[in-house]
Amino acid sequence: SQQGEEDPQALSIQEGENATMNCSYKTSINNLQWYRQNSGRGLVHLILIRSNEREKHSGRLRVTLDTSKKSSSLLITASRAADTASYFCATDSRGFGNEKLTFGTGTRLTIIP
Amino acid sequence: GAVVSQHPSWVICKSGTSVKIECRSLDFQATTMFWYRQFPKQSLMLMATSNEGSKATYEQGVEKDKFLINHASLTLSTLTVTSAHPEDSSFYICSARDSGQGRSPLHFGNGTRLTVT
Repeated sequence: SQQGEEDPQALSIQEGENATMNCSYKTSINNLQWYRQNSGRGLVHLILIRSNEREKHSGRLRVTLDTSKKSSSLLITASRAADTASYFCATDSRGFGNEKLTFGTGTRLTIIP
Repeated sequence: GAVVSQHPSWVICKSGTSVKIECRSLDFQATTMFWYRQFPKQSLMLMATSNEGSKATYEQGVEKDKFLINHASLTLSTLTVTSAHPEDSSFYICSARDSGQGRSPLHFGNGTRLTVT
């Protein structure tokens, strides 16, 4: 079964606006990661947040993690047309080195120029 | 940056035939690679963990005799879909981590779209 459920399933916004995607998971984790997938392509790692962290930034990306609610959010600020893609959260229950990621259902983000 | 090459990017085959998909780490060594399956507009489902020099570890519900995995070297894992059927049509993606870097993210191939007619 899926570890992560993401919402919304699809999101369309105007270029320049901020996009927020949410991810909920069910079991304890060591870290949570966000990936981007362009249509018909592989995944690109965006950012990782550890279970003892609450917020992390990378460029236009901001990730939060609430382990008490078993949820995370990904914020993309000042969106660009090139941000159009599917975004997946992935949870790791065993830590680096022996990792088996469980992916969420994904959010399809469309940036309207 | 680390690159994972997956080949072919797409393949069409007839029912009953076998198809081999290759996953190569181009500039790093990977003792462990992962194979996923993705249906349209859905998430990635882990099929198996490929271990260099030993047997692959399959997820529950994945038939190991149908999805043969060979990880013969530190840079190559192959997935062979045997006796393919139309229901095997899907997008297959591999990933790998640089064994020389203890804390590095997974690097994904660009996937293989398999269509079985």
